[in-house]
Amino acid sequence: DQQVKQNSPSLSVQEGRISILNCDYTNSMFDYFLWYKKYPAEGPTFLISISSIKDKNEDGRFTVFLNKSAKHLSLHIVPSQPGDSAVYFCAASGLSIQGAQKLVFGQGTRLTINP
Amino acid sequence: DAGITQSPRHKVTETGTPVTLRCHQTENHRYMYWYRQDPGHGLRLIHYSYGVKDTDKGEVSDGYSVSRSKTEDFLLTLESATSSQTSVYFCAIRASGEQFFGPGTRLTVL
Repeated sequence: DQQVKQNSPSLSVQEGRISILNCDYTNSMFDYFLWYKKYPAEGPTFLISISSIKDKNEDGRFTVFLNKSAKHLSLHIVPSQPGDSAVYFCAASGLSIQGAQKLVFGQGTRLTINP
Repeated sequence: DAGITQSPRHKVTETGTPVTLRCHQTENHRYMYWYRQDPGHGLRLIHYSYGVKDTDKGEVSDGYSVSRSKTEDFLLTLESATSSQTSVYFCAIRASGEQFFGPGTRLTVL
């Protein structure tokens, strides 16, 4: 049972345009959501997060939107740059014993920014 | 840079042999995690630790054990490696509400 799903394995966007990556979740107990970026042969890098008490969070070119009723979140990158080409993972967590934040990840979306 | 190192970075081993992967952190974080990454699955939590000698199971813990005898080190052991454990293994620490990952260990079990 895939609790966090990224239904688009890949996305291609022209440089300078907006990239929109989507993520759906099924567990209504999730209350914290994160996006990670991953280059080949490196560990995932934290990008941006959002708590379930908010519906939007911005950090520079990156904005995350959360729609709790639809159990959907999206990551917007504006403007897209060649260095944004990577695999993007969304992740979710809920309350856990010992406060340990057990993350559940989506399958990832490979973003390619074309010049 | 969250001060996380993993060793070894690459390992090839044979089915049935024991394997231990090491995660080392330099910043005294309480929470540490082990994940595996496989195509089509994203990252999946194997085990985590919430303090010295305090560990618990994650989503895919069968065939793995962990130990944390000091704050800075979190060890992942495959008691008898199988081909299904061929994967890339990532260690993470939790800081400021988010998790930060090490560079990964690529393990191949022949």
